[in-house]
Amino acid sequence: DGGITQSPKYLFRKEGQNVTLSCEQNLNHDAMYWYRQDPGQGLRLIYYSQIVNDFQKGDIAEGYSVSREKKESFPLTVTSAQKNPTAFYLCASTDMAWGGTEAFFGQGTRLTVV
Amino acid sequence: QQQVKQSPQSLIVQKGGISIINCAYENTAFDYFPWYQQFPGKGPALLIAIRPDVSEKKEGRFTISFNKSAKQFSLHIMDSQPGDSATYFCAASRDTGNQFYFGTGTSLTVIP
Repeated sequence: DGGITQSPKYLFRKEGQNVTLSCEQNLNHDAMYWYRQDPGQGLRLIYYSQIVNDFQKGDIAEGYSVSREKKESFPLTVTSAQKNPTAFYLCASTDMAWGGTEAFFGQGTRLTVV
Repeated sequence: QQQVKQSPQSLIVQKGGISIINCAYENTAFDYFPWYQQFPGKGPALLIAIRPDVSEKKEGRFTISFNKSAKQFSLHIMDSQPGDSATYFCAASRDTGNQFYFGTGTSLTVIP
């Protein structure tokens, strides 16, 4: 089955630690996105990538980093510089490298700082 | 600045009733308006989408009404069922753009 796989489903981070969230897609999509979801705030864009080895900051990129070494993979690192990382993180992809098409989402990773 | 404004934040509807969620946008360059449905602990999934060349699109019990002059669009869920209980997000994007702009979401509860 084609789709987007995010792992892990739940992740716990200690203060001062960096953690990496995995996102893999087998849809052969060009563009990939990372969103953060907080109650009452909808989906906020962290980073996006339209092609391999290129990515752009979204609205809330501070404290996060990404890489796009392969078309299928777009991992997100939550660094210790992110002051409030507890949230639900969603990875998405689109067929074309522009917005007028369906976005497919993974099942999300819930990150909690302990 | 919120590019897409969504209301209400939460909605409770009786089974069999009509659920209506509204969204408004500012950027007239937007030309793709999808609605996503999200169940707890899951990622959003596309429910229905519309382009501004039509004023209405219907798929089963779900209808999008689009008012280009008012820069508003809404989701109507007819004969609402308990299984429709979820969070609904509207969004907007441009064909030539590179990201989606999401509303803040509406939590729908359909009571039996």
